[in-house]
Amino acid sequence: EDKVVQSPLSLVVHEGDTVTLNCSYEVTNFRSLLWYKQEKKAPTFLFMLTSSGIEKKSGRLSSILDKKELFSILNITATQTGDSAIYLCADPGAGSYQLTFGKGTKLSVIP
Amino acid sequence: DAGITQSPRHKVTETGTPVTLRCHQTENHRYMYWYRQDPGHGLRLIHYSYGVKDTDKGEVSDGYSVSRSKTEDFLLTLESATSSQTSVYFCAILGGTGGGYTFGSGTRLTVV
Repeated sequence: EDKVVQSPLSLVVHEGDTVTLNCSYEVTNFRSLLWYKQEKKAPTFLFMLTSSGIEKKSGRLSSILDKKELFSILNITATQTGDSAIYLCADPGAGSYQLTFGKGTKLSVIP
Repeated sequence: DAGITQSPRHKVTETGTPVTLRCHQTENHRYMYWYRQDPGHGLRLIHYSYGVKDTDKGEVSDGYSVSRSKTEDFLLTLESATSSQTSVYFCAILGGTGGGYTFGSGTRLTVV
């Protein structure tokens, strides 16, 4: 059974700080790893990672995958209060592509 | 982008009553999923469908059933609601941009 573990489960930082969120996974047939941001409603897509060592970047957010060590990190630089959210890591798995999610990291950015 | 709507958006129901949540998509995507989200648990898969009349159980399927008689609709039924089923329910489809998955806006269900 596929497993996705995120850490930390919650994090409080001040505006301007840089944060690193972690995601480790154990999957039978790796396809990709997905990162989502969830504010008060549906998760919104951030990144899809398929290749090891290649950084994906979008503004102040970036993510990288290490397929050898089976983990991914999500970095947010110069955090803003608008970054406050739950960040979810997910594995699409094999078969019918059902997503297995980690428990998420709740990030709170205080002014 | 793939259109997906959930109904109702909010519902309060009494213990022991049946409840049906609806997920509707406007494009003919094959795969549809129901998740529930609870504090400390992330999103957990309840049931999924890989075609009309083709469904299977997920991690937390006890107390839930699903039906998919048309490609566009995936129904989640709580046969006899319990307080432990108070949760936010999300439908998702494999389709659309951004990682390939599109989520509905969610249904907040409270069982009293």
